[in-house]
Amino acid sequence: GENVEQHPSTLSVQEGDSAVIKCTYSDSASNYFPWYKQELGKRPQLIIDIRSNVGEKKDQRIAVTLNKTAKHFSLHITETQPEDSAVYFCAARGSNYKLTFGKGTLLTVNP
Amino acid sequence: DAGVIQSPRHEVTEMGQEVTLRCKPISGHNSLFWYRQTMMRGLELLIYFNNNVPIDDSGMPEDRFSAKMPNASFSTLKIQPSEPRDSAVYFCASSLGSSGEVEQYFGPGTRLTVT
Repeated sequence: GENVEQHPSTLSVQEGDSAVIKCTYSDSASNYFPWYKQELGKRPQLIIDIRSNVGEKKDQRIAVTLNKTAKHFSLHITETQPEDSAVYFCAARGSNYKLTFGKGTLLTVNP
Repeated sequence: DAGVIQSPRHEVTEMGQEVTLRCKPISGHNSLFWYRQTMMRGLELLIYFNNNVPIDDSGMPEDRFSAKMPNASFSTLKIQPSEPRDSAVYFCASSLGSSGEVEQYFGPGTRLTVT
């Protein structure tokens, strides 16, 4: 089945800096890659997703890039704000139609 | 729309007891997922249903776990007998479509503690 590795597990940045979270996947047939944000004690919520026919997607301060050849994708957050502090999960939809999630990255934005 | 509804929000039980978690998906959604979240293992898919039919239960840890979806608006996840290692947050999620390429909407979760 699909295996998704996510790095780093924790990330601390100063407000206004950029944050980058990277994920790799194993199933070359995977074609859908969502990112979820989970605040402490809350449910995961989709923040952005990308499909395999697209190399990059941007939504305001958030962008995601995909390299299918290398089987890795990344989340970029620019001009970070304290409210961006949360756990971020990447996921990949493999050939079995299931989403496999990474272990998560705890992002802390220091004021 | 009220979103995905789960009950109870918190459950504390003793080892050996039966636990039943409940989920109401978003109206009109035809796929439903049960996940378990722990610090050690992260977010794991236990089982998912499409049009009330279980499609893949390969993530169900063992026979103590069972899930049902008797109709489009209700699903249960049962653990019998429960064990301390079952302590986790259990999320239900629903989506429109079965391709897996659409947003999954998560419920608020049930925090289960087995003592």
